[in-house]
Amino acid sequence: KNEVEQSPQNLTAQEGEFITINCSYSVGISALHWLQQHPGGGIVSLFMLSSGKKKHGRLIATINIQEKHSSLHITASHPRDSAVYICAVLPNTGTASKLTFGTGTRLQVTL
Amino acid sequence: GAGVSQSPRYKVTKRGQDVALRCDPISGHVSLYWYRQALGQGPEFLTYFNYEAQQDKSGLPNDRFSAERPEGSISTLTIQRTEQRDSAMYRCASSLGTGGNTIYFGEGSWLTVV
Repeated sequence: KNEVEQSPQNLTAQEGEFITINCSYSVGISALHWLQQHPGGGIVSLFMLSSGKKKHGRLIATINIQEKHSSLHITASHPRDSAVYICAVLPNTGTASKLTFGTGTRLQVTL
Repeated sequence: GAGVSQSPRYKVTKRGQDVALRCDPISGHVSLYWYRQALGQGPEFLTYFNYEAQQDKSGLPNDRFSAERPEGSISTLTIQRTEQRDSAMYRCASSLGTGGNTIYFGEGSWLTVV
């Protein structure tokens, strides 16, 4: 079992729909990152969370530390949101400081 | 530089050859990470540095893989005697420090071993 699980693996939505991507993890963490991987391969950091909720434009990220769960929401989705969204956690155990990644959620937004 | 820069962007090499992949992190960033990403998979941790010190190399698959960052800036990931299973995207990332800092990724180096 992966330490970081994302759901769904694939998601198709119509333009304008509200989208939720979920991330569950099994270890104690000091931070959680949501990343966006473009079709061309580049990775962009969207959010870094250690508690609560963050909002940037149409994107909202929430985290529940007790439940070891985070969600990424996209409001009024648009075809340009099509990408792979990756959840990554920074474990707070040991001296290592390395992100552990989920396998990603592939989002396709159609007109 | 303005972002994390990696070179070469694409490398095709014959099995058995050595390859060196370069990462130039954002200026002033203390932490540097190497990841490998196979098609359709999330990135997989390989190793990371704070300044010039390699803090964790537990993700390196075997002793054919090594990395260095001799002056605490540019890093090189070297794969000796490449094998076809080494084919993947190799990504470098950097951050101001460890812990809760935003991590910036390079565009990656696509390695194909034929």
